[in-house]
Amino acid sequence: GDSVTQMEGPVTLSEEAFLTINCTYTATGYPSLFWYVQYPGEGLQLLLKATKADDKGSNKGFEATYRKETTSFHLEKGSVQVSDSAVYFCALKSDRDDKIIFGKGTRLHILP
Amino acid sequence: ETGVTQTPRHLVMGMTNKKSLKCEQHLGHNAMYWYKQSAKKPLELMFVYNFKEQTENNSVPSRFSPECPNSSHLFLHLHTLQPEDSALYLCASSPLGANTEAFFGQGTRLTVV
Repeated sequence: GDSVTQMEGPVTLSEEAFLTINCTYTATGYPSLFWYVQYPGEGLQLLLKATKADDKGSNKGFEATYRKETTSFHLEKGSVQVSDSAVYFCALKSDRDDKIIFGKGTRLHILP
Repeated sequence: ETGVTQTPRHLVMGMTNKKSLKCEQHLGHNAMYWYKQSAKKPLELMFVYNFKEQTENNSVPSRFSPECPNSSHLFLHLHTLQPEDSALYLCASSPLGANTEAFFGQGTRLTVV
């Protein structure tokens, strides 16, 4: 079945550092790919998405590119802030049904 | 505020109790989901409904019983739960189609004692 694998956390960085969180997926067909963020005590919020190969999703300084050849959707940000501390989830939505499958999540700590 | 509302936000129940979780959305979405989020475990998809019809039951024990009376409301009925069922239960909704994202509620923090 479809699956998402993302790097284990926690990831700890200093403010203004460069961030990469790796995500790879396994799916049949042509899924859409998403990054969600979860702040403490809250539900998940969509951060960005890409719906076809080579699309780049971006929001709040975060970017990710849908790479079909490497089945990847890595999340990047050039300069992180303390307020970016949260748990980040990579996800895919199948084009065969409406299932949304999530990775395990990566906890990010940004130190001032 | 995502437009998906879950109640209650917190629930403590005994193993012999019966309780229900409620989820409501007025976004016009036709797909609704229940997820379980436990500490140190992946987000687990429990149930999917499309147009009020259940399309996915991810091997969930029968002590969890979903109900979708219409496209705007989703319930999760709980009975004779175990302590390991303690978790954050998240509801989400989505328009149909592969390129549409899900909108999540804030979750119900369930503790089984």
